[in-house]
Amino acid sequence: DIVMTQSPDSLAVSLGERATINCKSSQSVLYSSNNKNYLAWYQQKPGQAPNLLIYWASTRESGVPDRFSGSGSGTDFTLTISSLQAEDVAVYYCQQYYSTPPTFGGGTKVEIK
Amino acid sequence: QLQLQESGPGLVKPSETLSLTCTVSGGSISSTSTSSTNFYWGWIRQPPGKGLEWIGSLYYSGSFYYNPSLQSRVTISVDTSTNQFSLNLNSVTAADTAVYYCSRHVGSSRGPIDYWGQGTLVTVSS
Repeated sequence: DIVMTQSPDSLAVSLGERATINCKSSQSVLYSSNNKNYLAWYQQKPGQAPNLLIYWASTRESGVPDRFSGSGSGTDFTLTISSLQAEDVAVYYCQQYYSTPPTFGGGTKVEIK
Repeated sequence: QLQLQESGPGLVKPSETLSLTCTVSGGSISSTSTSSTNFYWGWIRQPPGKGLEWIGSLYYSGSFYYNPSLQSRVTISVDTSTNQFSLNLNSVTAADTAVYYCSRHVGSSRGPIDYWGQGTLVTVSS
């Protein structure tokens, strides 16, 4: 299985400031034949199911605010919230879908400072 | 708007079988997108306070994919006539206590999940 490691486990950011979450995979999730990274990001608010934010490492899902962006390639990826809003308080997960079984990172909890 | 809804017992005894059903409304399990993207239907679980684990998924025509870590205990099935799919997990222990989500995967059996059910907590306890 591909192991997904997120850092930090939690972070506190002031409203309007930038939040950066890292995700590292134990092997590359870049598929050379189509040059796509098989990496997705989700947001999970308390008591709710996760919500898809980003796929193909950097493609924003329809309806997701543009303050959310994804970057990276190969084994190292980043989710950035450019200007943290109160409604962004949540746990964020990365997921690889390069190989079976798809696996998730352990999550990063984002709070307001 | 597509909706997924899990149903089933919230309490299962150790060594017994956990059985859940997901009812899909607002769309057909056997449909594809306008761009001919295939959709797969699956199950994911989350132990209380912990992370997410993929259990398995299916394609409506009868292809099934399982997490190797659970494969010996899991069966997923589909009924396109009722627009439902189901999960059976046998020989459960306390470690199987979790919120179980049904889900829709985009593009492959392990693809990104664009729709989730609300989740149902299943507790394994005598």
